Amino acid sequence: GQQVMQIPQYQHVQEGEDFTTYCNSSTTLSNIQWYKQRPGGHPVFLIQLVKSGEVKKQKRLTFQFGEAKKNSSLHITATQTTDVGTYFCAGGNDYKLSFGAGTTVTVRA
Amino acid sequence: GAVVSQHPSRVICKSGTSVKIECRSLDFQATTMFWYRQFPKQSLMLMATSNEGSKATYEQGVEKDKFLINHASLTLSTLTVTSAHPEDSSFYICSARIPSTDTQYFGPGTRLTVL
Repeated sequence: GQQVMQIPQYQHVQEGEDFTTYCNSSTTLSNIQWYKQRPGGHPVFLIQLVKSGEVKKQKRLTFQFGEAKKNSSLHITATQTTDVGTYFCAGGNDYKLSFGAGTTVTVRA
Repeated sequence: GAVVSQHPSRVICKSGTSVKIECRSLDFQATTMFWYRQFPKQSLMLMATSNEGSKATYEQGVEKDKFLINHASLTLSTLTVTSAHPEDSSFYICSARIPSTDTQYFGPGTRLTVL
């Protein structure tokens, strides 16, 4: 079955620095979605990418979908304490989502 | 974004009892809802796909007689954990799919503790 790998598992970032989390699928995806889960909370939808090579931005967050539609990345610039949480990518096919393991982000003030 | 509610948010029960969890889409009709399970510091594991008016589709390794799913209306799906045991303790999260899209909106989750 479809597998989605996500790295790194943990990201400790100095406030103000940038970081990137990467997602790779074993199969071609129809779309990729990104979610953020705060500690003790539930996943919150951030964005969906559908087109090959698509790039979308949300303020300090930049999402990219690879040309082959098998990988994706989330880049956060100028990290803030509000960015703390776990970021999950989820590969979409046939209306089902396969979640990556998540990248848990902590921020040093 | 779309709103999905889940009830109860937290439940503690004795081993051997059954627990019902409700998932509702509040401002849209969801023909498809999903049930996930999440262990501490782990990812979401899809348990089953709930389709309105038909039987749920369970993922490999998930016991359908243990986790009963009913999707009786376009806004409500229920998950019943039957004869719960301590190993069933987990965070159960439902999601509802926006029709004609792949986007899922998640409920706030239910933390089940079986004593």
